Amino acid sequence: ETGVTQSPTHLIKTRGQQVTLRCSSQSGHNTVSWYQQALGQGPQFIFQYYREEENGRGNFPPRFSGLQFPNYSSELNVNALELDDSALYLCASSGGRGGGTGELFFGEGSRLTVL
Amino acid sequence: GIQVEQSPPDLILQEGANSTLRCNFSDSVNNLQWFHQNPWGQLINLFYIPSGTKQNGRLSATTVATERYSLLYISSSQTTDSGVYFCAVKRGSTLGRLYFGRGTQLTVWP
Repeated sequence: ETGVTQSPTHLIKTRGQQVTLRCSSQSGHNTVSWYQQALGQGPQFIFQYYREEENGRGNFPPRFSGLQFPNYSSELNVNALELDDSALYLCASSGGRGGGTGELFFGEGSRLTVL
Repeated sequence: GIQVEQSPPDLILQEGANSTLRCNFSDSVNNLQWFHQNPWGQLINLFYIPSGTKQNGRLSATTVATERYSLLYISSSQTTDSGVYFCAVKRGSTLGRLYFGRGTQLTVWP
């Protein structure tokens, strides 16, 4: 039990639709990062949010966007869904006072299927 | 970015056997974590080990940062150890950015 919760756990969308995934960070953590894990691969960094601003981004197009709220929870939004967006989306929290130890803790993930 | 290579990609063991998983990385890092991914997809933290050696029950890990590798040891394997083991590293100040390897798929037979 990491204290990081994600919703929904599973969802099915069709090509061209939009999706919003949600994440609540572990108590005391102020940084949230999102990862995409395709089948058989390691997770790939999408972006990170700190103090409600994006401050690091991986190699993902602008149709992947996010938000962080004052309580440090976060949303991942994906527009114009493509078949290749089918994946497990993982949220991680880290940080805290003084930056914390740097250790990341992951939620259970949201499994997205795009038809 | 940092390249992370894990070996072996697949490992099949009988219950009770010992194993060593390896993680090589291409640059200096300030964070290294080992995870076990359960069948439902959740990444379970095993070790946060930027350097040195740590032990937790039947598992232990060693990171030699100067030589850019880490090892995860599993002793007396159990069927519940099955799953994918990931090594992930971080460099620099982007707190939440980890670079993952492709994992080692471990199968333990009774």
